[in-house]
Amino acid sequence: QLQLQESGPGLVKPSETLSLTCTVSGGSISSSSYYWGWIRQPPGKGLEWIGRIYYSGSTNYSPSLKSRVTISVDTSKNQFSLKLSSVTAADTAVYYCARVVATIKEGDWFDPWGQGTLVTVSS
Amino acid sequence: DIQMTQSPSSLSASVGDRVTITCRASQSISTFLNWYQQKSGKAPELLIFAASSLQGGVPSRFSGSGSGTDFSLTISSLQPEDSATYYCQHGYSTLPFTFGPGTKVAIK
Repeated sequence: QLQLQESGPGLVKPSETLSLTCTVSGGSISSSSYYWGWIRQPPGKGLEWIGRIYYSGSTNYSPSLKSRVTISVDTSKNQFSLKLSSVTAADTAVYYCARVVATIKEGDWFDPWGQGTLVTVSS
Repeated sequence: DIQMTQSPSSLSASVGDRVTITCRASQSISTFLNWYQQKSGKAPELLIFAASSLQGGVPSRFSGSGSGTDFSLTISSLQPEDSATYYCQHGYSTLPFTFGPGTKVAIK
C-alpha cells in the first residue's frame, strides 16, 4: 500500500525558506503513471494546490506561488521536496504531499495523501 | 484559473437522510471533477474521480454525477461517520488545479 510522509521544520521565520520533504513508501516514485504534488491548507481554510513534479524532474507550479516555489525529486531516495522562499505569516498552513494520478481520459486527481505537517511562520 | 464553487457551505442532516452537495466550475471541465472527504484533523481522502467513478473502498452510498460545469455528490443514506467537510476539485488539463471552498456536513 502506497504511503506518503511529510517531514521538515514546523516553525519557520518570516523571510526565510520553508523546506519540506515527502518520503514515498510502498511504491516507486519513478512510475511513469504518476506525478507527485504538494497542497496546503491554512488553518480553518480550504485547500490550495502548490505544484507537482514528474520523476523526470518536469514541474508545474501554481501561478500565485510560482516565483517562490521549487519542487525537486530524488528518485534514489524515493523522495520529493518543496521549497518556498520569502515566507510570511500567510504561508502558515498544513502542507500535504500527494500522488497525482494523471490520465488523459479522466483527468488528474490526488490519491493518496500524506498525513500533513503544520508549518507555522513566526519570529 | 478555473474557479470552483460549492453549495451549500454547510448543512445539518439526520442519519438516514439523502444529502446532495453541488459543485460548479467557471468553465466546462467535461467530467474531470473529483470529490474528497476530509474529517477533522485528517488529510483529505479521495471519494470519487472523473465525476462518477467511486474510489475503491468507498461505501456505495456515495455517488457523483454531472458534466460540463455542474456536478453533484450524493450520500444516499447519511451515516454518523460521514460527518466531514467535502471538497470538489477540477482535474482538467488547464492548470492550476483548484478546489471548491468545501461543504461541511454535520449530523443532527
